[in-house]
Amino acid sequence: EPEVTQTPSHQVTQMGQEVILRCVPISNHLYFYWYRQILGQKVEFLVSFYNNEISEKSEIFDDQFSVERPDGSNFTLKIRSTKLEDSAMYFCASSEQGLGQPQHFGDGTRLSIL
Amino acid sequence: SQQGEEDPQALSIQEGENATMNCSYKTSINNLQWYRQNSGRGLVHLILIRSNEREKHSGRLRVTLDTSKKSSSLLITASRAADTASYFCATDAGNSGYSTLTFGKGTMLLVSP
Repeated sequence: EPEVTQTPSHQVTQMGQEVILRCVPISNHLYFYWYRQILGQKVEFLVSFYNNEISEKSEIFDDQFSVERPDGSNFTLKIRSTKLEDSAMYFCASSEQGLGQPQHFGDGTRLSIL
Repeated sequence: SQQGEEDPQALSIQEGENATMNCSYKTSINNLQWYRQNSGRGLVHLILIRSNEREKHSGRLRVTLDTSKKSSSLLITASRAADTASYFCATDAGNSGYSTLTFGKGTMLLVSP
């Protein structure tokens, strides 16, 4: 069964550095998402992406964050000037269509900011 | 903002028993979804119920939705040790025509052999 893959599984970065989290969505899916889960807290929506542009974003997704689909298979989340509070699990998800469709999640990238 | 909140926070049962988890939310929704998360893994979609549906089945799973009470329940029948995981409800308002899931804190289910 096709699956969403995320790399790396664990990223350790110094505070203030930039980090790029990578995702390969399921190949025929058109909608892509990033979520984060701070340890012990809820999974939180960050951003959705469709047709090469952001369709929705949450209050968390400020100017520090950006997303890109640099080619036909990858979907990336860039976090500039990381802060300690950016430490979390970051999940990528994709869906075949938008509203009313199940989302398929990767296993996440654990981001640790030192 | 809308919010899915599950109860109980933790549930411990024996294999073969049924497990019921509840979810409440605050605002109108387009659909509600249930996901499972095994430790250290991503979320796995279990079932989606639309706002105009009241009950849905998938294998050993039964989901109900009561939009008047803004609540949903997930029933796992004849539970197995492999069902041990965290279970989350996620509401999708779809106000803009796009999907944005809002997750609850989840129920940790432990099924003992």
